[in-house]
Amino acid sequence: NAGVTQTPKFRILKIGQSMTLQCTQDMNHNYMYWYRQDPGMGLKLIYYSVGAGITDKGEVPNGYNVSRSTTEDFPLRLELAAPSQTSVYFCASTLTGAGNEQFFGPGTRLTVL
Amino acid sequence: GQQLNQSPQSMFIQEGEDVSMNCTSSSIFNTWLWYKQDPGEGPVLLIALYKAGELTSNGRLTAQFGITRKDSFLNISASIPSDVGIYFCAGPYAGGTSYGKLTFGQGTILTVHP
Repeated sequence: NAGVTQTPKFRILKIGQSMTLQCTQDMNHNYMYWYRQDPGMGLKLIYYSVGAGITDKGEVPNGYNVSRSTTEDFPLRLELAAPSQTSVYFCASTLTGAGNEQFFGPGTRLTVL
Repeated sequence: GQQLNQSPQSMFIQEGEDVSMNCTSSSIFNTWLWYKQDPGEGPVLLIALYKAGELTSNGRLTAQFGITRKDSFLNISASIPSDVGIYFCAGPYAGGTSYGKLTFGQGTILTVHP
């Protein structure tokens, strides 16, 4: 199993550009999550999904959108990039929502200039 | 909302020394998780704690679930250079169904000098 994979690893955007961060897991996990990590701030939940076709906002959803058309994929969309979205983005998945281990991808480092 | 406070924020130690760090919350947790993040990688689960007072080991790592359920501790014995990284505590969102959502502390950055 590849686990959780994310692409791209690095990206530089100009203000106002849009992009999609890709996340795929091959563990047949129902639950998937997007976090952002800012220096010294831990991880903040952006959006999550409990299954295909079901998504909901986390702690910091403004400026982002998600979709979950399949169990495997959970892309994160930035429509109008802003400097405040410069961060490292992590996707994670878990089999059930009962406080079990979340498996993380390697992250996407995004800079908005 | 819930907040987890980790202490210390950073540590600089010599190889072979023992390390202690903790995580506190203003609210009760039913689960405590400790993750480690290597430079340039995503976090990886080290230890999970599910019961107040529980003491669990994973090699040189030992974690404890505080009896008040508002804190947890992680100890690393005889540190080695590969222990370098950021250590996060985490716990499930409170109130209703958490759907596996986690709240993370801000992390403790560990540097080990050979």
